[in-house]
Amino acid sequence: KNEVEQSPQNLTAQEGEFITINCSYSVGISALHWLQQHPGGGIVSLFMLSSGKKKHGRLIATINIQEKHSSLHITASHPRDSAVYICAVAHSGGSNYKLTFGKGTLLTVNP
Amino acid sequence: NAGVTQTPKFQVLKTGQSMTLQCAQDMNHEYMSWYRQDPGMGLRLIHYSVGAGITDQGEVPNGYNVSRSTTEDFPLRLLSAAPSQTSVYFCASSYSSRRSSYNSPLHFGNGTRLTVT
Repeated sequence: KNEVEQSPQNLTAQEGEFITINCSYSVGISALHWLQQHPGGGIVSLFMLSSGKKKHGRLIATINIQEKHSSLHITASHPRDSAVYICAVAHSGGSNYKLTFGKGTLLTVNP
Repeated sequence: NAGVTQTPKFQVLKTGQSMTLQCAQDMNHEYMSWYRQDPGMGLRLIHYSVGAGITDQGEVPNGYNVSRSTTEDFPLRLLSAAPSQTSVYFCASSYSSRRSSYNSPLHFGNGTRLTVT
């Protein structure tokens, strides 16, 4: 079983829809990252969080440490949100500089 | 600030050749790391460094070598290229104190697409 599982693997939405991408992990963590990768490869950091909730524009990230689960929400989705969204966890304890990544969720938003 | 700069963008090697992928950052970040990205596998950590003179292995270190002689640079060396090393390689950095847990946003380079024939 992978240490970081994302769902769904693929997601197609219509413009304006509310999007949720989920990330579950099985290890103790010190932080969780959400990343965005557009076609062509560049990777951008969206959020880093260790508790609670963060919001940036139309994007919201939440984390539940007890349940080892995080969600990334996109409100009023737009075709420019089409990308791969990647969850990554920083391990706690002695391995706290190691990152483990989910396989990503491919989001396609149609106009 | 240029951020994280990776060179080259593309490279084709023959089996057995060696080469160095360059990574430099101008943000005075202590933490730097190398990843490879393969279809269906996600990003996997190759090597990382928490400061000049300190490096450690990640998940898939075999066939790769790193050094960190300065805060700015973190080159990745392929000692004897193999077709299994065909991949897209990303370098990333973050500000992260050695005395605390990893807790800072990541900054990625634009990637190097490597093909080994």
